[in-house]
Amino acid sequence: AQKITQTQPGMFVQEKEAVTLDCTYDTSDPSYGLFWYKQPSSGEMIFLIYQGSYDQQNATEGRYSLNFQKARKSANLVISASQLGDSAMYFCAMREGPGNSGYALNFGKGTSLLVTP
Amino acid sequence: GAGVSQSPSNKVTEKGKDVELRCDPISGHTALYWYRQRLGQGLEFLIYFQGNSAPDKSGLPSDRFSAERTGESVSTLTIQRTQQEDSAVYLCASSLARGGLRNTIYFGEGSWLTVV
Repeated sequence: AQKITQTQPGMFVQEKEAVTLDCTYDTSDPSYGLFWYKQPSSGEMIFLIYQGSYDQQNATEGRYSLNFQKARKSANLVISASQLGDSAMYFCAMREGPGNSGYALNFGKGTSLLVTP
Repeated sequence: GAGVSQSPSNKVTEKGKDVELRCDPISGHTALYWYRQRLGQGLEFLIYFQGNSAPDKSGLPSDRFSAERTGESVSTLTIQRTQQEDSAVYLCASSLARGGLRNTIYFGEGSWLTVV
């Protein structure tokens, strides 16, 4: 079963506007971590932001913030003041509590974001 | 090095040939991961190494795939008798072991494999 669901295959946003990329997850483990990565056309995966299941506050990193709604099992990424360089694929990922797979991340299928002038 | 280094960056091979992909993790990172990303898709977990523990191979798609790691350094992913469906980007990543859930995984730029 898919553990991470990103329902938006593609999104457009105008430069300087804010955009929200959706992510919902499925786990029965009370202890988990949620990550967002950016993948520009060059292919490298760039870590953006982390949210732990027990964190009291929503994570923020510069222009990135995470709208974490635990009861709804959603962890949406908010990018404020979009820039042309934000155009990329964005992946949501989850790491569940320690188990046989160690600390491997499960990734969603990604959302392609295009920032227009 | 400063980041995860992978080689070759691009590889075109004929169907049926074997290929080896190399990954050099960030110095001091004891955990190493291989992922596969098919065109336009998300990342599929392949294998995970942690120090000297037995690797978790649960994501390897078939027995044509294998990986080795010497200690806490370089890893090689080998694909035998390549098939066209093996065409993908193979991403290597590494992380610290301590810190548990919060450990950030850092990725290399990937090895783009095309099987013709």
